[in-house]
Amino acid sequence: AQKVTQAQTEISVVEKEDVTLDCVYETRDTTYYLFWYKQPPSGELVFLIRRNSFDEQNEISGRYSWNFQKSTSSFNFTITASQVVDSAVYFCALSETYGGYQKVTFGTGTKLQVIP
Amino acid sequence: DSGVTQTPKHLITATGQRVTLRCSPRSGDLSVYWYQQSLDQGLQFLIQYYNGEERAKGNILERFSAQQFPDLHSELNLSSLELGDSALYFCASSIQTGGGYTFGSGTRLTVV
Repeated sequence: AQKVTQAQTEISVVEKEDVTLDCVYETRDTTYYLFWYKQPPSGELVFLIRRNSFDEQNEISGRYSWNFQKSTSSFNFTITASQVVDSAVYFCALSETYGGYQKVTFGTGTKLQVIP
Repeated sequence: DSGVTQTPKHLITATGQRVTLRCSPRSGDLSVYWYQQSLDQGLQFLIQYYNGEERAKGNILERFSAQQFPDLHSELNLSSLELGDSALYFCASSIQTGGGYTFGSGTRLTVV
């Protein structure tokens, strides 16, 4: 069965600090997708990134970067020079396809508070 | 705008009542998923439909039901509401294979 673990329940950092959110997953499939979503205090879920299991290249998008390591089944998310607007709950998710439809499992989320 | 439309955005109702939440998926997406997010809880998968057919069920109560119509919009019906049903209900849609979900902005249900 697939599983996503976000061991950090809450993290507080001071503005401009770097912060890494951890995500560890379990799956028996060789083909899968990993995602990160952001949920700001307003409540909507915002898609941040998708990574497929065959692409282990790290990705950088502005202050955001993602480190995918299949060897350790991890897909960690780093925010560089954090800002107050980064305060949100961040969810990691794993998607597998069964019989033509997706099954997506979400982690329990990490609440990030950036203190000015 | 994600392309997934959920209505209403907010709903306040009394215990014992029944409500219907509506979701229009992103254009071209055949799958619709419903999730419940209670206060300080993660996202709990409720049910999935694909092109009108139920495909997967999660932790959905018997008091809850859903359907997907020929035009692909979906409705989640919640009946005999209890205080504990107060939550944010999300709809998401996806293409058939991979790609992840696109979420709607959610319906915040408050049962008083």
